[in-house]
Amino acid sequence: NAGVTQTPKFQVLKTGQSMTLQCAQDMNHEYMSWYRQDPGMGLRLIHYSVGAGITDQGEVPNGYNVSRSTTEDFPLRLLSAAPSQTSVYFCASSYDRQTEAFFGQGTRLTVV
Amino acid sequence: RKEVEQDPGPFNVPEGATVAFNCTYSNSASQSFFWYRQDCRKEPKLLMSVYSSGNEDGRFTAQLNRASQYISLLIRDSKLSDSATYLCVVNKGLGYQFYFGTGTSLTVIP
Repeated sequence: NAGVTQTPKFQVLKTGQSMTLQCAQDMNHEYMSWYRQDPGMGLRLIHYSVGAGITDQGEVPNGYNVSRSTTEDFPLRLLSAAPSQTSVYFCASSYDRQTEAFFGQGTRLTVV
Repeated sequence: RKEVEQDPGPFNVPEGATVAFNCTYSNSASQSFFWYRQDCRKEPKLLMSVYSSGNEDGRFTAQLNRASQYISLLIRDSKLSDSATYLCVVNKGLGYQFYFGTGTSLTVIP
């Protein structure tokens, strides 16, 4: 039972580089989301999706893109990395908006 | 004002103690409430949902006060393994956005 799988676990980028954080879930959940966690800020929602082909912005979407071509996958793209995007990123999925969210193990991203 | 506010602590308590955390939320239309636990450098995991009538799971009791817009978590007979950060989570009314508190740090001391 894999649950939510995120890759990579660690990444160092140079300013201006782009990359994609991968997220996959095997629970057939419709709702998936991406958060970033910064000290003293709590988890903040970046983007979310309520099903394949449907995405929407969260609280802090600037600098990030998402797509949802399948129920299982929800990648997060950093278009041009900036030091302000240094953070821990978590992908989460849930059956619906009222129920428990399952989180991936996180990606620790450093932008230098 | 933040959507969800928690006392960051830290709370340092001896084994066997009872400890309570509170969390306030600003959106009166919020409908779903949770407590998550996050260990150091790990992902958050659900501890328990919070229901209007209050609910208990072993040593843990969660309560919701809609009139005052706060949620509480009570941990009885603290164990060393309870040491973690506890996150209060509230949904945005009918929407899909969940708001996380910054977390309350608990250390249980032998």
